Amino acid sequence: EDQVTQSPEALRLQEGESSSLNCSYTVSGLRGLFWYRQDPGKGPEFLFTLYSAGEEKEKERLKATLTKKESFLHITAPKPEDSATYLCAVGIRNRDDKIIFGKGTRLHILP
Amino acid sequence: NAGVTQTPKFQVLKTGQSMTLQCAQDMNHEYMSWYRQDPGMGLRLIHYSVGAGITDQGEVPNGYNVSRSTTEDFPLRLLSAAPSQTSVYFCASSYLVTSGAYNEQFFGPGTRLTVL
Repeated sequence: EDQVTQSPEALRLQEGESSSLNCSYTVSGLRGLFWYRQDPGKGPEFLFTLYSAGEEKEKERLKATLTKKESFLHITAPKPEDSATYLCAVGIRNRDDKIIFGKGTRLHILP
Repeated sequence: NAGVTQTPKFQVLKTGQSMTLQCAQDMNHEYMSWYRQDPGMGLRLIHYSVGAGITDQGEVPNGYNVSRSTTEDFPLRLLSAAPSQTSVYFCASSYLVTSGAYNEQFFGPGTRLTVL
């Protein structure tokens, strides 16, 4: 069964304290892996798409990496405005229409 | 560009009532989809469409109906509302996969539905 698991469920960090969020997946064939940010009361906002193991993408304080079984979202020197829920999703090979989301990691950055 | 718009923002229904959640996009995207988001469950796909006149079921389609008569609009119909359908509903759109690459999926602001 195709599955996406995110950990931890919630994370509290001090401003400037770097950390990583994890997304592990079990799918029949990975077509692509996505990271989204979701602020309270709003829809998810696209961050990155990764396609193959070893691929990395960066945006400001965020860097996403991909291996054959998991992805990490590294947050370097976070600021309070980085507080949000971060969602991971995977696209399934040969099923362009099927995208499975994880439950998300709630990140809170304390000033 | 307004992006993806959803109406209403909030709705309260009684069990057994029917209603339509509206979704529209102005980006000429072929792919549109509906998700529901429940605490501890993540986003789950209800129905999706790859173009006008083409729809298909997602992970949790029971109790919902969709149609796609135009590229821009993708309404979600609740046929007979049940308390289990209390959730936040998101509509999303994107271009179809091109040259093996996904295109960014844009989400609407959501509709918060309560069924009493």
